[in-house]
Amino acid sequence: GQQVQQSPSSLVLQEGENAELQCNFSSTATQLQWFYQSPGGSLVSLLSNPSGTKHTGRLTSTTVTKERRSSLHISSSQTTDSGTYLCAIDRQGTGSKLSFGKGAKLTVSP
Amino acid sequence: EAAVTQSPRNKVTVTGGNVTLSCRQTNSHNYMYWYRQDTGHGLRLIHYSYGAGNLQIGDVPDGYKATRTTQEDFFLLLELASPSQTSLYFCASSRDWGDLQDTQYFGPGTRLLVL
Repeated sequence: GQQVQQSPSSLVLQEGENAELQCNFSSTATQLQWFYQSPGGSLVSLLSNPSGTKHTGRLTSTTVTKERRSSLHISSSQTTDSGTYLCAIDRQGTGSKLSFGKGAKLTVSP
Repeated sequence: EAAVTQSPRNKVTVTGGNVTLSCRQTNSHNYMYWYRQDTGHGLRLIHYSYGAGNLQIGDVPDGYKATRTTQEDFFLLLELASPSQTSLYFCASSRDWGDLQDTQYFGPGTRLLVL
């Protein structure tokens, strides 16, 4: 079954609103990462957060490892935040293999 | 910022054709990966490698071969391409999986269409 589930699958916001994206995973993870995929397709890592809370710029990620969930909060959204946000975990015992969720598509309108 | 390049960026071939996708990273990363991305499935790992001459099987390896000729270069080979292999292919690299703060750096992707 799907090891990484993301919700919502899509989200539409007005500029300035906050976004909350969820990631739930079915197996123990030693690594959890959030990625951003632009509308043009390019992929970049946003942050790595296997446990606890981590901030970078307008992004805050909170991972509760024992509950197998992580969230990504985007504050004061901008139109340039539009794109797809992917959550990925490293399944314990599989070394470098990441499992990705299907992504959450965010659209921010001006 | 790590640099990962892929070529070609777009490729069209026919069923049964041979295709080689190339990937190069210039930051001396140990690990390199090949993924495919399809609507409804997300990113799925095909093969990966942790050094020249090494190859590890990913989650969807059927129909694909890969070869890591140098630390910089990782190739994905489709020897008898099928329409089911039409997809967006990404290459990625990372320094060392031992560091939990490490991340994967992705190339720009190659769009492959198999007719």
